Amino acid sequence: DAKTTQPTSMDCAEGRAANLPCNHSTISGNEYVYWYRQIHSQGPQYIIHGLKNNETNEMASLIITEDRKSSTLILPHATLRDTAVYYCIVRVQGGSEKLVFGKGMKLTVNP
Amino acid sequence: GAVVSQHPSWVICKSGTSVKIECRSLDFQATTMFWYRQFPKQSLMLMATSNEGSKATYEQGVEKDKFLINHASLTLSTLTVTSAHPEDSSFYICSARDLGSEYSNQPQHFGDGTRLSIL
Repeated sequence: DAKTTQPTSMDCAEGRAANLPCNHSTISGNEYVYWYRQIHSQGPQYIIHGLKNNETNEMASLIITEDRKSSTLILPHATLRDTAVYYCIVRVQGGSEKLVFGKGMKLTVNP
Repeated sequence: GAVVSQHPSWVICKSGTSVKIECRSLDFQATTMFWYRQFPKQSLMLMATSNEGSKATYEQGVEKDKFLINHASLTLSTLTVTSAHPEDSSFYICSARDLGSEYSNQPQHFGDGTRLSIL
């Protein structure tokens, strides 16, 4: 079973920041948080990952709470092309490389 | 970098035929690749882990004799759906991680998937 919970769906206005929450209250100390997204009829696309520090790349920012029980993916300026299902996944470093996908969250960016 | 290519993108075939799907890492090597299946409006389900030079590891409930996996090189894994039937129609996706990554926490990269339709 997936070890994360996400809202089923969220809407965001184009050009605004999209803040996507994820709860991983049972996360272990050596587990990373990964974010992927899947645009309709395509394979998942890697976005970002982190352990405990906040991370930023060209696509998004990842904010992880101090207790690591939850995180937020931030798309700073959402575009229509960001409409997708977003998956938050936790995985142990150095352990099985399996990624267990939950149901994810459908983000719809509206014009 | 880190591009994973799948072929074909989609295939339609008659019931009872076998279908082979290829997964290639184009700019990196991977000792391990993963095969997922996704039914409409559902999430990805891991089917098996493909190991270069050894037997694949199948998830519980996945028939190894029906879904044959071959990982003959560090850049190619194939999934063959044998004697396919309509219930095997699905979206099949592979993923791989760069063997050369210094850190084991580096992400997997996914192919664009193969849509299989069995008539």
